[in-house]
Amino acid sequence: QVQLQESGPGLVKPSQTLSLTCIVSGGSISSGSFYWSWIRQPAGKGLEWIGHVYTSGSTNYNASLKSRVTISVDTSKNQFSLKLSSVTAADTAVYYCARSYRGYCNSISCPGAFDIWGHGTMVTVSS
Amino acid sequence: QSALTQPPSASGSPGQSVTISCTGTSSDVGGYNYVSWYQQHPGKAPKLMIYEVSKRPSGVPDRFSGSKSGNTASLTVSGLQAEDEADYYCSSYAGSNNNVFGTGTKVTVL
Repeated sequence: QVQLQESGPGLVKPSQTLSLTCIVSGGSISSGSFYWSWIRQPAGKGLEWIGHVYTSGSTNYNASLKSRVTISVDTSKNQFSLKLSSVTAADTAVYYCARSYRGYCNSISCPGAFDIWGHGTMVTVSS
Repeated sequence: QSALTQPPSASGSPGQSVTISCTGTSSDVGGYNYVSWYQQHPGKAPKLMIYEVSKRPSGVPDRFSGSKSGNTASLTVSGLQAEDEADYYCSSYAGSNNNVFGTGTKVTVL
């Protein structure tokens, strides 16, 4: 049973870079065809997809965050990471990592549903 | 991409049914059969309830069902139970390897 666990600082200063890691256990991050995503949720608000890294290492990001986001995978440590630069108070949220399977949308490979989630980690941006 | 539109709230008495809508565009909900639904209890991570419009993962009660017509997807919870009280979010593939979530609906069991 694959499980995900987020880790990283709970407090980040404005203008700095938020860095989180998602450790994958119970299976290899490089086996199968999966997308590994980061999703966030400000307190009392909805979910926002940040981006994902595919098993091959290719990435896609939410256009609204693209200029500040980097998602990468470390197969040797069976984990993937999020870096969000130039943070402000608006980036304060619970950050989740999640897995989605590879599907086929109109005969083209695409991410399917988020079938496994981490428990989430709260990150506060404050001086 | 803009968030998919869901009603802020929905409610029903135990045993009744409640249906939640999720409205997007032809570039997301209407363009692909990759709509999913998530249940989130307070302080917990979301849980997948429906994938690919109408498929249920193993372990999800058959009281939960999904459908889609045009640019609007729907989640129906039949035979409402107290434990169904939660926030529900839809999500859709939005092309170019992007995903988009709905605004969320709080379901209250009266």
